[in-house]
Amino acid sequence: GAVVSQHPSWVICKSGTSVKIECRSLDFQATTMFWYRQFPKQSLMLMATSNEGSKATYEQGVEKDKFLINHASLTLSTLTVTSAHPEDSSFYICSAGDDTDTQYFGPGTRLTVL
Amino acid sequence: DQQVKQNSPSLSVQEGRISILNCDYTNSMFDYFLWYKKYPAEGPTFLISISSIKDKNEDGRFTVFLNKSAKHLSLHIVPSQPGDSAVYFCAARYGGYNKLIFGAGTRLAVHP
Repeated sequence: GAVVSQHPSWVICKSGTSVKIECRSLDFQATTMFWYRQFPKQSLMLMATSNEGSKATYEQGVEKDKFLINHASLTLSTLTVTSAHPEDSSFYICSAGDDTDTQYFGPGTRLTVL
Repeated sequence: DQQVKQNSPSLSVQEGRISILNCDYTNSMFDYFLWYKKYPAEGPTFLISISSIKDKNEDGRFTVFLNKSAKHLSLHIVPSQPGDSAVYFCAARYGGYNKLIFGAGTRLAVHP
């Protein structure tokens, strides 16, 4: 099956710093990638949808200036959490859509902001 | 406004018995429903799906049933195995879009 990787798998940073998370589709080209966050014991909440070469579409309530998304190639999308604060601590998961619109999820990145 | 609801946060089943996980939705524009399985600190893994034009899809031990009039779907696992213990998410897709709306998940525990 299709494989999606995320890096790093976990990160701890100080408040006010920026953190970049990478999402890669390893064996297929993904025209669309999705970024989700999950708080403990809650559902996955879609943050934004990104298409290769164009600006990401953010869900209501998600600050686009805080969560910068870049989808520079068909196999790589990045999420940068700018000026991170403790309330941004969460589990961030990406998914990549193939040409059948099936989404394959990465293993997730645990972000802890001190 | 939760468009996809999984009202049971947890379910405990004995090994070998049937596990039934339920999901309700409110939006009639959903055209595709999916079930994902998730282990802690991992991303969801696709399990099985069903189109809105069907009422049943089966794949090995897993069967998904869709009742459109009731806006309800269920996942049956039979026989249940200890390795099935995980959180199961129901997800729905808007017609014509690739966006998924997830339920809150049900934690399934299969005990010997």
